[in-house]
Amino acid sequence: DAMVIQNPRYQVTQFGKPVTLSCSQTLNHNVMYWYQQKSSQAPKLLFHYYDKDFNNEADTPDNFQSRRPNTSFCFLDIRSPGLGDAAMYLCATSRGDPTLVTLHFGNGTRLTVT
Amino acid sequence: AQTVTQSQPEMSVQEAETVTLSCTYDTSESDYYLFWYKQPPSRQMILVIRQEAYKQQNATENRFSVNFQKAAKSFSLKISDSQLGDAAMYFCAYNFGNEKLTFGTGTRLTIIP
Repeated sequence: DAMVIQNPRYQVTQFGKPVTLSCSQTLNHNVMYWYQQKSSQAPKLLFHYYDKDFNNEADTPDNFQSRRPNTSFCFLDIRSPGLGDAAMYLCATSRGDPTLVTLHFGNGTRLTVT
Repeated sequence: AQTVTQSQPEMSVQEAETVTLSCTYDTSESDYYLFWYKQPPSRQMILVIRQEAYKQQNATENRFSVNFQKAAKSFSLKISDSQLGDAAMYFCAYNFGNEKLTFGTGTRLTIIP
């Protein structure tokens, strides 16, 4: 089945230690998104790639970076994680057709910062 | 800026009964799309139902249906014959023709056996 896969499912990192979360897709979708979701809150869009074009949200901290080396993979890099960055990180994809924006989500990576 | 409001942080319903989850949104656009997503505990978020604003007919997917009131900017989700597997966080979301969604804060639905 075509899917969105996030690794790892759980990630523990130390305060200030860089961490990378990964996402891959077999859907061949144009758009890949990274959302941050804290407990009982709405997913918050950090940034997204439309093909190779990177789109950062205005309120996304500089501490968060992303890379998309090819269509299938997208990475979220947190350069110096703080305690406030502990959250579930959701990767999603879509075809990018503005008339049909249906997001396909991965299972998420739960990040703990110690 | 577009906002999506879900005023019910938690809801519960008896198994086999019907429940309605509320969602309101604010937009100045006339053409847009509305969604309900379901996020079960420890599982991935999936699309439940989608509504195009230009369609007057309410969308239906099996036991899930919406009541779309464009003038009132209201988009509620009705779940009929509730099942244990319906227990989840439900997020209302809005899109106005680009590739980004705006999510509401979610409603946690509990199914009582």
